[in-house]
Amino acid sequence: DQQVKQNSPSLSVQEGRISILNCDYTNSMFDYFLWYKKYPAEGPTFLISISSIKDKNEDGRFTVFLNKSAKHLSLHIVPSQPGDSAVYFCAAVNTGGFKTIFGAGTRLFVKA
Amino acid sequence: NAGVMQNPRHLVRRRGQEARLRCSPMKGHSHVYWYRQLPEEGLKFMVYLQKENIIDESGMPKERFSAEFPKEGPSILRIQQVVRGDSAAYFCASSPRSPSGDEQYFGPGTRLTVT
Repeated sequence: DQQVKQNSPSLSVQEGRISILNCDYTNSMFDYFLWYKKYPAEGPTFLISISSIKDKNEDGRFTVFLNKSAKHLSLHIVPSQPGDSAVYFCAAVNTGGFKTIFGAGTRLFVKA
Repeated sequence: NAGVMQNPRHLVRRRGQEARLRCSPMKGHSHVYWYRQLPEEGLKFMVYLQKENIIDESGMPKERFSAEFPKEGPSILRIQQVVRGDSAAYFCASSPRSPSGDEQYFGPGTRLTVT
């Protein structure tokens, strides 16, 4: 069962423009949502998170928006830079259940 | 403070052999997680351990796979009698607390190839 879905396998954006990565989930019991970034041959690294009681969290160029009624979250990167080119994973945590569930990832290409 | 260490980085095994993957968590972290990533797929949770205890192994295949996190030493993911379908990247992560909004710190992964 895919509790966390990233429906876009890839996204291409021009440098300086906004990148918007989307994520949908099905389990209303998730408490936290996180975004991780992964470069080839490396492990994922944490980017930003949001609690289910909030609808927005911002950290520099990265903002995550949460729409609980739609069970949808998005990561905005602005302005996009070539170094942002990586695979981005959306993840969700149910603190009562211990697991972190990851989406399949979206590969972002930022063109110079 | 070294990050999460995994070894080996690459492991080649023939069908039927055993694979042992090691993970040393970050200093001060007592919670370890193992994930598997198949080609073109996301990270799939396998098991969550604390020192000497398996907390959640609901993502582990029922046969051939086992994990441990002893009082001393690294966490070990063991795959017996490997098959081609076990070929994947296996990532270990650690955290100082049980799952919450805090991030997990990932190792670089072990890429297992079964020939």
